[in-house]
Amino acid sequence: NAGVTQTPKFRILKIGQSMTLQCTQDMNHNYMYWYRQDPGMGLKLIYYSVGAGITDKGEVPNGYNVSRSTTEDFPLRLELAAPSQTSVYFCASSDALGGGYTDTQYFGPGTRLTVL
Amino acid sequence: DQQVKQNSPSLSVQEGRISILNCDYTNSMFDYFLWYKKYPAEGPTFLISISSIKDKNEDGRFTVFLNKSAKHLSLHIVPSQPGDSAVYFCAASVAGANSKLTFGKGITLSVRP
Repeated sequence: NAGVTQTPKFRILKIGQSMTLQCTQDMNHNYMYWYRQDPGMGLKLIYYSVGAGITDKGEVPNGYNVSRSTTEDFPLRLELAAPSQTSVYFCASSDALGGGYTDTQYFGPGTRLTVL
Repeated sequence: DQQVKQNSPSLSVQEGRISILNCDYTNSMFDYFLWYKKYPAEGPTFLISISSIKDKNEDGRFTVFLNKSAKHLSLHIVPSQPGDSAVYFCAASVAGANSKLTFGKGITLSVRP
């Protein structure tokens, strides 16, 4: 049981490049989330999904896209990388047994992205 | 506008003593609160939570207190151990919000041997 895995661990992009951050969970959780953490700041929600085929915007969605074709995978796409997207990105998942809002979120180890 | 505030960026305590980490919130709709712990180069891990219908929740060395009238919660760690040295995030959510969490900036706790 690996929990939530993220790839890559580190990446350096040039301005304007695109990339996909991968996230996979093996806990059969319905809910999945993408956060970013800037230095000295808390985690901010980018996008989330309550099940396969269903996604919605979080607090800071601009410049990102997501898809959820399976329960396990929730990739995050950056289309035109900008320096403002330099951050650490965390993927998380939770089940819905508590009705949603009381469910513990399990986080992956993060992807450190630098845009130069 | 920060809805969850952790105003002290760091805290240093002696091993064996009590650590008290504070968190304030502004959104009165929040009704579930969580603390997450984060070590360097790792993702946050869940530590303890409390529902707004309670004012205290205890789990081993960790106790969370909630004061709804003051919109304030605190995490007490007794006794503190060097392995507790980490960043602690306070988070809050609203019922029916699909488990979306609002995080504070975090507090770096250092426990001195």
